[in-house]
Amino acid sequence: QSALTQPASVSGSPGQSITISCTGTSSDVGGYNYVSWFQQHPGKAPKLMIYEVSNRPSGVSNRFSGSKSGNSASLTISGLQTEDEADYYCSSYTSSSTLVFGGGTKLTVL
Amino acid sequence: QVQLVESGGGVVQPGRSLRLSCAASGFTFSNFGMHWVRQAPGKGLEWVGVIWSDGSNKYYADSVKGRFTISRDNSKNTLYLQMNSLRVEDTGVYYCAKNNWPHYCDYWGQGTLVTVSS
Repeated sequence: QSALTQPASVSGSPGQSITISCTGTSSDVGGYNYVSWFQQHPGKAPKLMIYEVSNRPSGVSNRFSGSKSGNSASLTISGLQTEDEADYYCSSYTSSSTLVFGGGTKLTVL
Repeated sequence: QVQLVESGGGVVQPGRSLRLSCAASGFTFSNFGMHWVRQAPGKGLEWVGVIWSDGSNKYYADSVKGRFTISRDNSKNTLYLQMNSLRVEDTGVYYCAKNNWPHYCDYWGQGTLVTVSS
C-alpha cells in the first residue's frame, strides 16, 4: 500500500492555470477510473473536488477538472484564485479493495 | 444535509486502547459504507479502513491491521473505530468519511485528535 506520488508543491499567479500530477500503478490509478481529488485548507476537513477521475460534485467550480492517462492522474485548476491556495490530495481505489492517498501537494497562489 | 461528528479522541499512553465514534445524520446511514482516514500532525492523509453498509466486509491499511477494528450500529447511525495497542505513530486527527458508490469519500467529519504519548 504505497502512497501515490504527488509533487510536494506547485505555485501560480492569479488567473493562471496549474496542474497537479498523481502517479500510481496498474493496481490502483491505472487499473480503475476511481481517482478522487480533495482540497484541504489549514485546520479544516478535506473537501471532495473531483471523483471518478473527472466528475465534479455539485457546487464545485468548473475551474477544477481532472483527467487520467495510464498510471497517472491530473488535477487542473484554471483561472487561479487566492482562495484556491490549499493542500490537494489525490486518492485511488486499489486492487486490494482499499483506498490509497497521495502525499499531498501544497498550492501557493503568488 | 449530511453531518458527521467524530468524538472520543484524547491523550492515551502507548499500548493502551481508545474507541472513536462518528455520529451520522442527514442521510440513510445503513445504505452507505463508511471510512476512517487519519492525518498525523503536519503530514498527509492516510486511509485507515472501510466498512460496508451492512458491516459484512471490512478492509484495513496494513499499518493498523490486527490492532484497529471498525464497526457500526445502523440502529444508532454510528460508526466506531476501536484502536488497541496504540503506538506513538498513531497520533493524529482521525476523520470519518461517507462512502459514495462505488469507491470515493464524499463527505467528511471535522475530525477528532488522538495523541499517543507517555
